[in-house]
Amino acid sequence: EVQVLESGGDLVQPGGSLRLSCAASGFTFSSYAMCWVRQAPGKGLEWVSTISADGGRTYYADSVKGRFTISRDNSKDTLFLRMDGLRAEDTAVYYCAKGVSSSPFNWFDSWGRGTLVTVSS
Amino acid sequence: EIVLTQSPGTLSLSPGERATLSCRASQSVSSTYLAWYQQKPGQAPRLLIYGASSRATGIPDRFSGSGSGTDFTLTISRLEPEDFAVYYCQQCSSSPPVTFGGGTKVEIK
Repeated sequence: EVQVLESGGDLVQPGGSLRLSCAASGFTFSSYAMCWVRQAPGKGLEWVSTISADGGRTYYADSVKGRFTISRDNSKDTLFLRMDGLRAEDTAVYYCAKGVSSSPFNWFDSWGRGTLVTVSS
Repeated sequence: EIVLTQSPGTLSLSPGERATLSCRASQSVSSTYLAWYQQKPGQAPRLLIYGASSRATGIPDRFSGSGSGTDFTLTISRLEPEDFAVYYCQQCSSSPPVTFGGGTKVEIK
């Protein structure tokens, strides 16, 4: 069974940093692009970042470019999101999602339950 | 950036009725890269439709997708109690960025 499980969400002050992790199982992690999608409280879905299957290509939404860094460890089947310079508007549930191929832009067929990041003083 | 506009914002229907949800793109989207998701309160989104009209694994055949170019539709032929949720369309035809529509809430009338 395909599973992705996020962790690392927390309450952090504005300007602070956080690293999210996503542990994958049930599929050949290194063969699929992965992404992060977030959802602010009571709002819709917002794509944050995507990384190619081999980790060589990364893409970001303009709202997080230069502050967030996506990475992956294919030897440990784990996806990461390093978030620096956090702002109140980054407050959201962050979902890890699996792409359907190695291509970085596709739909997402498996999602985790999400991890909550709250940015507040 | 392709903007996806979903309508209506809220759809009030009774179980057994037909639901028709619209997703309009600000520019043409390849059908191959148009997907629909269902999200229930407190849960992650679930893939329903990909390639504009193909049902994902395990999705009942009362869900169907159609459309091309800038106009896409998700139809639920007969609403079951478990279908009341929020539905999102998504495009990755012209990416980055990947974009989602604002969502349509299907609520019980």
